[in-house]
Amino acid sequence: LAKTTQPISMDSYEGQEVNITCSHNNIATNDYITWYQQFPSQGPRFIIQGYKTKVTNEVASLFIPADRKSSTLSLPRVSLSDTAVYYCLVGASGNTPLVFGKGTRLSVIA
Amino acid sequence: EPEVTQTPSHQVTQMGQEVILRCVPISNHLYFYWYRQILGQKVEFLVSFYNNEISEKSEIFDDQFSVERPDGSNFTLKIRSTKLEDSAMYFCASSGINEQFFGPGTRLTVL
Repeated sequence: LAKTTQPISMDSYEGQEVNITCSHNNIATNDYITWYQQFPSQGPRFIIQGYKTKVTNEVASLFIPADRKSSTLSLPRVSLSDTAVYYCLVGASGNTPLVFGKGTRLSVIA
Repeated sequence: EPEVTQTPSHQVTQMGQEVILRCVPISNHLYFYWYRQILGQKVEFLVSFYNNEISEKSEIFDDQFSVERPDGSNFTLKIRSTKLEDSAMYFCASSGINEQFFGPGTRLTVL
């Protein structure tokens, strides 16, 4: 599985857009990029998944450049409830074990 | 919205005792998993289960661990003789063809 690198922590004020970038230089041709969110004492929750270019859902957008060696999770207008750890995973699909890194701890400040 | 459920939410046990953690996956999912997260550390994969057998397991999943799907709905993780270092949050997950859905977890405390 491709190794991922993402910032350990980020701070943001409420109402701002937050972009979390993940590096995955060794991504394989068949790998997808998946982001999960985890609140304290809860299980991880799927946010978004993409293969290339841009994917958007009701929660976030995922931007993937042409070389696919990085990806950026974009959270529009964050609120206090978006304070959580965000994990970037590469290679994850529905039926293979997920390999979590340390993630990015996002703190949203009022 | 369908969800994965886990019981109990918190289990306290004495070292050396057996514990069984229970999970009810989403009903039409075919793949099931157990993960654990020691306080302050990463989420770690333990085991995956498909078609009534283990499909993959990690180094953590040694002979003290076992999984079972005793009926059409439950998926259990048994730790035969708990150790202090087994204290963690244990998450069950299930998947169909895409993302994995995680349960709320069981906090296991071994004294």
